Amino acid sequence: SQQGEEDPQALSIQEGENATMNCSYKTSINNLQWYRQNSGRGLVHLILIRSNEREKHSGRLRVTLDTSKKSSSLLITASRAADTASYFCATDLIQGAQKLVFGQGTRLTINP
Amino acid sequence: DAGITQSPRHKVTETGTPVTLRCHQTENHRYMYWYRQDPGHGLRLIHYSYGVKDTDKGEVSDGYSVSRSKTEDFLLTLESATSSQTSVYFCAAGLDTQYFGPGTRLTVL
Repeated sequence: SQQGEEDPQALSIQEGENATMNCSYKTSINNLQWYRQNSGRGLVHLILIRSNEREKHSGRLRVTLDTSKKSSSLLITASRAADTASYFCATDLIQGAQKLVFGQGTRLTINP
Repeated sequence: DAGITQSPRHKVTETGTPVTLRCHQTENHRYMYWYRQDPGHGLRLIHYSYGVKDTDKGEVSDGYSVSRSKTEDFLLTLESATSSQTSVYFCAAGLDTQYFGPGTRLTVL
């Protein structure tokens, strides 16, 4: 069964708008990470948030983590055409041996 | 791609043949991983390695084996390829953060 599930599965917005993606997970975690995948390419790490953190920023990215609700959100502000990609959350399970469990991703399209 | 290369990048093979995919890293990461990515399933862990000659199974390990004789190389072998193993295979390396290779697109006819 999937540990992480992203919502929505697909999102299409206009350039300059903000994009918000959500991730829910099922079991306790050490940390949660977000990755981006451009079409036909490998995944690129964006940001890691640990279980004792509630919010983290990196440039135009803002990630929140609510361990009581077992959920996280990724906000991309002032979106650009280059942000068009699939975004995946990944959880590092406490019981796991440095293994990440990935969700199915959100496909984000930024329209010019 | 943070020093992670994969070879070959594309391969077409026939059912029943053995296939080996290679992952090479230049950053001396202890941990390395093999994933497959399929529509509707996201990325699923096949096998991973936590050191030279130390490997363990992931979520979808049946039909796959791995070897790690050097820190920089992690090999994935499909012992007898099947059509269900048609997929895009990604190698990754790293500890908290994983760095991914560009992927290998494998088609089994």
